[in-house]
Amino acid sequence: DTGVSQNPRHKITKRGQNVTFRCDPISEHNRLYWYRQTLGQGPEFLTYFQNEAQLEKSRLLSDRFSAERPKGSFSTLEIQRTEQGDSAMYLCASSLEGRDTEAFFGQGTRLTVV
Amino acid sequence: AQKVTQAQTEISVVEKEDVTLDCVYETRDTTYYLFWYKQPPSGELVFLIRRNSFDEQNEISGRYSWNFQKSTSSFNFTITASQVVDSAVYFCALNDYKLSFGAGTTVTVRA
Repeated sequence: DTGVSQNPRHKITKRGQNVTFRCDPISEHNRLYWYRQTLGQGPEFLTYFQNEAQLEKSRLLSDRFSAERPKGSFSTLEIQRTEQGDSAMYLCASSLEGRDTEAFFGQGTRLTVV
Repeated sequence: AQKVTQAQTEISVVEKEDVTLDCVYETRDTTYYLFWYKQPPSGELVFLIRRNSFDEQNEISGRYSWNFQKSTSSFNFTITASQVVDSAVYFCALNDYKLSFGAGTTVTVRA
């Protein structure tokens, strides 16, 4: 297994357009997380899945954001009607179940909204 | 609510010096887990160490060591004999089914 994979690595889009990011977790991990990171800040939690069930969503996740994890495998994060404030690094992580297990992160998708 | 504070924004040292990173956390849980992650310039967060709340024994792993003090809610991390490859942003995090990260400390190790 090569770890958590995210695509694309970079995305430049015009304000108002929709974008979709993909995350492929480590295959045996049943938990998958999405975070957002802006310059000079730590990652901020957006949402997480256990298998295919979305268990928690942050208040940061406005109704323009939606995430799915069909069949408990890969996940997609879609942002509709992008705004300049959405420009950030979007990080995906996966882990086994349990608060004592470490999360493994992908390299992120850097979104720039122009 | 979970909260992690890393008061140091940036630390710059010369190679072979020791570096200690401070972390203070807030939680209402009696059982919790603390982590340190490293984010090198490539951007991928890398797990370094983990500590649970019911074990205050401090440990050393290679050049890394950590000092967990429940009484002061602190979980400090030390890199001994720093190397240029240690240059990165270091994040402390608290796990409540999701990781809550501090703002990070940028460590620059100069040759």
